[in-house]
Amino acid sequence: KNQVEQSPQSLIILEGKNCTLQCNYTVSPFSNLRWYKQDTGRGPVSLTIMTFSENTKSNGRYTATLDADTKQSSLHITASQLSDSASYICVVSLIKAAGNKLTFGGGTRVLVKP
Amino acid sequence: DVKVTQSSRYLVKRTGEKVFLECVQDMDHENMFWYRQDPGLGLRLIYFSYDVKMKEKGDIPEGYSVSREKKERFSLILESASTNQTSMYLCASTLGGSRTEAFFGQGTRLTVV
Repeated sequence: KNQVEQSPQSLIILEGKNCTLQCNYTVSPFSNLRWYKQDTGRGPVSLTIMTFSENTKSNGRYTATLDADTKQSSLHITASQLSDSASYICVVSLIKAAGNKLTFGGGTRVLVKP
Repeated sequence: DVKVTQSSRYLVKRTGEKVFLECVQDMDHENMFWYRQDPGLGLRLIYFSYDVKMKEKGDIPEGYSVSREKKERFSLILESASTNQTSMYLCASTLGGSRTEAFFGQGTRLTVV
């Protein structure tokens, strides 16, 4: 069972609109949570990273929130642009004695239409 | 500018061939990872290494091996390629510590025919 679940699997929005992506996780011990953007055929690129003590983190039009009590995170995209069309991946980092293991969600594929 | 470089963007190999995927990072990172990414399954960890000559199995190591002879280079080896190993392969690296960023290569799309 995947320990990081994302919803929805895919999403179509009109240019200029806002949207929110969800991430629920069960992994522990939790170190941090990251959101990545992956364009088709490319490697993921980091958007935000939050530890358990942080509630929100912004990067331009992207705002991530984290509720460590309920183990939920969201990524809000404001005033979407065509270039926001990509997959968005939630990644939870586990604390390990050797290295930090990253557990990936399945991603949400976002398509922004003009 | 940080960089993780994978040796090939696209590869086509025949069943039974030995395949080497190379990954090089120039950030002096301790940790390096190999993932495969398949539609509907997300990224799955194959192997990772937290130091030179050290390696640990990830979630799906079967059919793969790795080599880390130098800190900057982490190689993924398919001893005998099979069609079910057709996938996108992504290499990543991080420093030690909990808040460090993970940087990814551009990916290698491998097709085994």
